[in-house]
Formats: sequence, C-alpha cells, structure tokens
Amino acid sequence: AQSVTQLGSHVSVSEGALVLLRCNYSSSVPPYLFWYVQYPNQGLQLLLKYTSAATLVKGINGFEAEFKKSETSFHLTKPSAHMSDAAEYFCAVSESDSWGKLQFGAGTQVVVTP
Amino acid sequence: EAQVTQNPRYLITVTGKKLTVTCSQNMNHEYMSWYRQDPGLGLRQIYYSMNVEVTDKGDVPEGYKVSRKEKRNFPLILESPSPNQTSLYFCASSLIAVSTDTQYFGPGTRLTVL
Repeated sequence: AQSVTQLGSHVSVSEGALVLLRCNYSSSVPPYLFWYVQYPNQGLQLLLKYTSAATLVKGINGFEAEFKKSETSFHLTKPSAHMSDAAEYFCAVSESDSWGKLQFGAGTQVVVTP
Repeated sequence: EAQVTQNPRYLITVTGKKLTVTCSQNMNHEYMSWYRQDPGLGLRQIYYSMNVEVTDKGDVPEGYKVSRKEKRNFPLILESPSPNQTSLYFCASSLIAVSTDTQYFGPGTRLTVL
C-alpha cells in the first residue's frame, strides 16, 4: 500500500535562504510523485511531478525535487526563498496512472521571514 | 479561461439539513473528484468520477453522495450533514492519465455544520 509522510508541519525560513521540504513515500511499485502548493484561500496548484523520467524534476517558481529511490524520498528545494513562497505545500503519491489513487501528505506550512 | 468553479464558497448549516455543493469545469475533462482538507490530515479523496455515469468511492466516502450526469458537472451531496463534516472541500478535474496530465483544483468550499 502506498503512503506519504511529510516531515515537519511548519517550516520557517529567512528570505533568501534555502527552502527544503521533506517528503518520504512508501510504494510497492515505482510511483508517480507530486508537489502541490496552496496559497491562502486558494485551491492547490501543481509545482512539479515525477513520472519516472529524469530523477531531478524542475517545477515552477524556481522549485525542484529529486527522486531518490534508495531513500524513498522526494524532497522539494528552492535555493533562495522569496516572501511570495509563504504557503502550504503538499507532497502526493500515486502507485497507478489513475487520479483516483492519488494520496496526499499532511502538508507543510512555510513561513518566510524578512 | 480554463477553470474549476465551486459554489457556494462558504456555507454554514445545521445538522441534518441536506445540502449540495456544485462543481463545474470548462475543460472537457473526463476525470473529476472531491477532496476534503482537514488540519494535519492533508487532502483526502471522497469520491471520484472517470466519466459520465461512472463514479467510485475514495478514502472517506461515508456521509456523501455524488452524481455525474453531465461531463462538466460533479455535485457533492450531503444528505444529512453532521458536525464531523465541517471541513474545507475541493473539487478537481483533469484528463485521465496521471503520467501526462495535470489536475486542476477549484477554489474550495468552507463548510461549517453546527
């Protein structure tokens, strides 16, 4: 059975500093992996997804994530945080090519301080 | 503009009073789904639909009903709402395949059941 764990429900980062959000998954087959962002009072927006092509996936707004099979991880990074990155971030996993099997992590709230 | 719309955006109701939350998409997507978002739990799928007249249970279907009579609409029905259904609800739509397509989310409906 698939599952996804996000380490840290809240992360505080200084403007200009590295953003690192951790996501670990369990899956019995090669998974599809996603990062979504949710800005206040809005729906979710896809940042990036891994579909078994390149292990380093580049997304929107300068974010990227690396798929590491040996560590069952898909951590999200951004070299330099901007105030506009303040939002909640969700990691998600699917073992099949069906949206009906998508499973989300609990989310990580990112606060950016000046 | 391509979008997923939900109505109402905010709703306060009382226990046992039937309600419907509407969802509509203008992208001719086959797949539509409903999620609920609760603090610390992330998003959990309630029901999904792969096409007209085809619906299936997600992870938390108890207390909810759906129908898919038209491709663009996917209403969520709470026949007898209870306080534990107080939550933030999101509708989403996409083409079928996780590997090649993107899921689009509505802006959310905040429901309070007293």
